[in-house]
Amino acid sequence: DAGVTQSPTHLIKTRGQQVTLRCSPKSGHDTVSWYQQALGQGPQFIFQYYEEEERQRGNFPDRFSGHQFPNYSSELNVNALLLGDSALYLCASNLGGGFYEQYFGPGTRLTVT
Amino acid sequence: DAKTTQPPSMDCAEGRAANLPCNHSTISGNEYVYWYRQIHSQGPQYIIHGLKNNETNEMASLIITEDRKSSTLILPHATLRDTAVYYCIVRVALPYNAGNMLTFGGGTRLMVKP
Repeated sequence: DAGVTQSPTHLIKTRGQQVTLRCSPKSGHDTVSWYQQALGQGPQFIFQYYEEEERQRGNFPDRFSGHQFPNYSSELNVNALLLGDSALYLCASNLGGGFYEQYFGPGTRLTVT
Repeated sequence: DAKTTQPPSMDCAEGRAANLPCNHSTISGNEYVYWYRQIHSQGPQYIIHGLKNNETNEMASLIITEDRKSSTLILPHATLRDTAVYYCIVRVALPYNAGNMLTFGGGTRLMVKP
């Protein structure tokens, strides 16, 4: 049973560019969340998708957007990249609503130069 | 969600029990205590959660004080592979169709030494 998978593993972009990160949830899970983890800090919640809609959002600007597909996979898009967007981007999935624990993928390391 | 306080770092000898404390003095009656850990270069891993009763699974035990203002995660026989950052998170368990974001603090960096 495959867990949460993310692609790519590493990515280097230039300031001002746009980036798309991808996530496939654990088999049977229908909810996907995205987190940003700066070096030395705990993960920060970006948003969560359920039934192809953004259900909950953290304190991130509109440059951060996402999408969930009918097969429950998800994309995170970041426009107009800033140096401060350099971080590990984590995807997590869970079944249904609030009670169930989230399973995390290995993350995508984004470096903005 | 209630704020948590954890020591920034702890050491533990291999084979001994690791006891990781967490203070959540403002916890509400409907908030659960969750523990996750993050091994270097990996995504966080769920360990255990509880409401008010002590809980045990194959990974760890969770002891919650009677007033629920603090808890302790116990790794009964720590190994070198348990070296990680451990996060204590308190949050409401919401209905099926509600969001369940996790709010991570700084966590405790546990170093298991041979």
